[in-house]
Amino acid sequence: EAQVTQNPRYLITVTGKKLTVTCSQNMNHEYMSWYRQDPGLGLRQIYYSMNVEVTDKGDVPEGYKVSRKEKRNFPLILESPSPNQTSLYFCASSLWGILPTGELFFGEGSRLTVL
Amino acid sequence: GQQVMQIPQYQHVQEGEDFTTYCNSSTTLSNIQWYKQRPGGHPVFLIQLVKSGEVKKQKRLTFQFGEAKKNSSLHITATQTTDVGTYFCAGQGLMDNTDKLIFGTGTRLQVFP
Repeated sequence: EAQVTQNPRYLITVTGKKLTVTCSQNMNHEYMSWYRQDPGLGLRQIYYSMNVEVTDKGDVPEGYKVSRKEKRNFPLILESPSPNQTSLYFCASSLWGILPTGELFFGEGSRLTVL
Repeated sequence: GQQVMQIPQYQHVQEGEDFTTYCNSSTTLSNIQWYKQRPGGHPVFLIQLVKSGEVKKQKRLTFQFGEAKKNSSLHITATQTTDVGTYFCAGQGLMDNTDKLIFGTGTRLQVFP
């Protein structure tokens, strides 16, 4: 089954404790992206990747890191989480990223709470 | 930078009534996509519009892309309880030559039976 898989789905952590949210897609998609969703603000892009070893900042990259060592995986790293990073995170992938970007397939989401 | 605004933020309708959400971009778009997110779920792709003035239909849903490619709308005829959710537009900029897809703030639709 074609899908984007995120883990963990739910996480409660404390300020400063490094964490990684994994994202994996099995559709051989070139483009992958991370979004955070906050009430009233919609979906805001954190980082995206056009292909392996190619990543770029989205609109809200501060406090996050990503890597794209393999085509299927695009982990989101919070080196030192802070309470303002409490949010619902979505990973998404698309077959290609050049204009026009194709349909985005989203993961189920990861709800992160930073105390 | 490019901004995509969506109105209204919320809409409550009686089942059977029509519903429309509007999306406006501060810059010309190369294309626009629409997504639906059910409560507790993840966004799911509905459609992509590319051409100026384009109109596409999916059963009771009608999508339009403005002539100037700066605005779009989604109209639902005779809403049903299954239409409940948040509808997002997402525009890809043309003038700033990036690949970023900017999402609107979404319109949350509630349908009362």
